[in-house]
Amino acid sequence: SQTIHQWPATLVQPVGSPLSLECTVEGTSNPNLYWYRQAAGRGLQLLFYSVGIGQISSEVPQNLSASRPQDRQFILSSKKLLLSDSGFYLCAWSVPEKLFFGSGTQLSVL
Amino acid sequence: KQEVTQIPAALSVPEGENLVLNCSFTDSAIYNLQWFRQDPGKGLTSLLLIQSSQREQTSGRLNASLDKSSGRSTLYIAASQPGDSATYLCAVTNKLIFGTGTLLAVQP
Repeated sequence: SQTIHQWPATLVQPVGSPLSLECTVEGTSNPNLYWYRQAAGRGLQLLFYSVGIGQISSEVPQNLSASRPQDRQFILSSKKLLLSDSGFYLCAWSVPEKLFFGSGTQLSVL
Repeated sequence: KQEVTQIPAALSVPEGENLVLNCSFTDSAIYNLQWFRQDPGKGLTSLLLIQSSQREQTSGRLNASLDKSSGRSTLYIAASQPGDSATYLCAVTNKLIFGTGTLLAVQP
């Protein structure tokens, strides 16, 4: 069966520090992969999606970047975190058209 | 531009009541509509997926309907239980657009 792993579960980082969140999927090949952010009291915002290795599409301009070095690995990064980057980050995969989510990372930038 | 709206934003009901959550979307050209449940601080759990050619899907006490022409979907929860307390989100999956959710509290 397919599973999705996302880590860490919680992260507290100072402003200006780098960020790396990782997501891996098992039990499927060539999935579409997504990074979402959920700010407090707000809906889910799609940040990036990828349809294949090295193929990244950005939905909103921001301080973040994403990479897909392997078929089932999706990484969210930042060189310098901002206070506004705080939120709940969710990785998801779909094949086809049905979304499955990871357990999320609560990021607090202080 | 697709917009997804969920009403109400919050709902509190006594245990045992039947309830309906609403989801509306502005662009009827959708592939699928998916309902999720999110517990505090957790990821999203898929509840039901309705394909654009379907009108409803059922799973246990949950029933989701889809009316593309009117741009609406409803999630019906029968005989609500305290364990149903969570935030419920709908999403138009081909556009990956989510509603802001309905926070449901079922009082014992």
